Amino acid sequence: ETGVTQTPRHLVMGMTNKKSLKCEQHLGHNAMYWYKQSAKKPLELMFVYNFKEQTENNSVPSRFSPECPNSSHLFLHLHTLQPEDSALYLCASSQVAPTSTDTQYFGPGTRLTVL
Amino acid sequence: AQSVTQPDIHITVSEGASLELRCNYSYGATPYLFWYVQSPGQGLQLLLKYFSGDTLVQGIKGFEAEFKRSQSSFNLRKPSVHWSDAAEYFCAVVTFTGGGNKLTFGTGTQLKVEL
Repeated sequence: ETGVTQTPRHLVMGMTNKKSLKCEQHLGHNAMYWYKQSAKKPLELMFVYNFKEQTENNSVPSRFSPECPNSSHLFLHLHTLQPEDSALYLCASSQVAPTSTDTQYFGPGTRLTVL
Repeated sequence: AQSVTQPDIHITVSEGASLELRCNYSYGATPYLFWYVQSPGQGLQLLLKYFSGDTLVQGIKGFEAEFKRSQSSFNLRKPSVHWSDAAEYFCAVVTFTGGGNKLTFGTGTQLKVEL
């Protein structure tokens, strides 16, 4: 596969469940990102990883736990979520994190519904 | 703080008609600007970007955008819209922070194309 892939594409979970979102990039990039896209709101940056190290946490609640085992893979572990966490979660990657002229490439997203 | 405004939430055009999507930014220095498109159920795809130089930027799928510093604008245009252009369009600006640079997105413009 090429580009940025995300699995699963759709996820329905209860508030007491634990699940994980996976992102994989095939572009040889060194930086990866998680964004949250809610209806009628701008994309919200959640986390940034650069060379496997977290460089930004945008005040995200601890019920969201990211993991970046290597520069090609990024996970978002979910536990004890709230209905307002229902959204499209987008993963992106770029060559390095983020410089002025760097371009981010996005995956198709995971549509999360919390019941 | 840097910000992006997309004044039009929804736009409807007829197939074959011209298109202009508005984007206004707030930033004191020369901004780095992007246009992304998101088709239903998909992630964001980069259409074009402006960093410096020629203020008229050509992108993919026949789109172009013009950077106008005097108006703080970076409007997206297409001379003749195709039905497949129906999607949501996002303008973004690089935001410079103490922890690095990141993308700040507008709220998006939903484009509907009438046949």
